Amino acid sequence: NAGVTQTPKFQVLKTGQSMTLQCAQDMNHEYMSWYRQDPGMGLRLIHYSVGAGITDQGEVPNGYNVSRSTTEDFPLRLLSAAPSQTSVYFCASSYSRTASSYNSPLHFGNGTRLTVT
Amino acid sequence: GESVGLHLPTLSVQEGDNSIINCAYSNSASDYFIWYKQESGKGPQFIIDIRSNMDKRQGQRVTVLLNKTVKHLSLQIAATQPGDSAVYFCAENQGKLIFGQGTELSVKP
Repeated sequence: NAGVTQTPKFQVLKTGQSMTLQCAQDMNHEYMSWYRQDPGMGLRLIHYSVGAGITDQGEVPNGYNVSRSTTEDFPLRLLSAAPSQTSVYFCASSYSRTASSYNSPLHFGNGTRLTVT
Repeated sequence: GESVGLHLPTLSVQEGDNSIINCAYSNSASDYFIWYKQESGKGPQFIIDIRSNMDKRQGQRVTVLLNKTVKHLSLQIAATQPGDSAVYFCAENQGKLIFGQGTELSVKP
C-alpha cells in the first residue's frame, strides 16, 4: 500500500504566491489532517476533516484553506504565501473519525518542505 | 497549562545498548499516549501507544512505561541498532493530540 502520499516534496515560493499541497491516502481513512512542523516546536494542527464534505480548523488555520471532496484527497491551499509559512507540512490520516485513538493511530506522509522568500 | 515535553533533546548510545527516552506530560485527563519515530526527511512513524489505564505495554524491541503519579512516559528500546537513529517524540490525547518536540537518538557503531 502507498499509504499517505504528499506532493510535491519540495517547493519554493515568493511572498504573495499561492499554491496547493496535495495529499492522498489509499487506506479508506475517514479522518485526514494537515500539520506543520517547525524547529523547536511540536507538530501543530492546521486543518482537519472527519469525512468527505466536512472540514474544520485546527490550532493554526490562518492563511490556509482546505476542502475534502473525496475520501482519498485532502489538499491544502496557501492563499498568499508569507515567509512565516516556511515550514515542513505533513498530511496525516486515521481510520478513526477522531484524530487518533488507541490502536488506530495517525499515519503520516513524508512531508512537503516549503520555503517562502 | 497543557504541555508534552522531553527531558533531553539528544541521546547518544552505543549499538547494542538499551535506550530510554523520556517524556513529561501535564494533563492528567489525557486518555492515551503515543510514541512516534521520525527519520531524517521522512514523516513520523507510529511506534507504540498506551492507554491511561495501563502501566506498561510491550512491542517488538520497544516498551512504553506510563507513570501517572508523576505524569511521566518513557520509551525503552532494547538492543539499539543504527537503524534506530531518529527523532522520537511522544504525543498525548486530550480530545486533540498534543505533540512533544522530540529527542534525537544517535546510535554509535
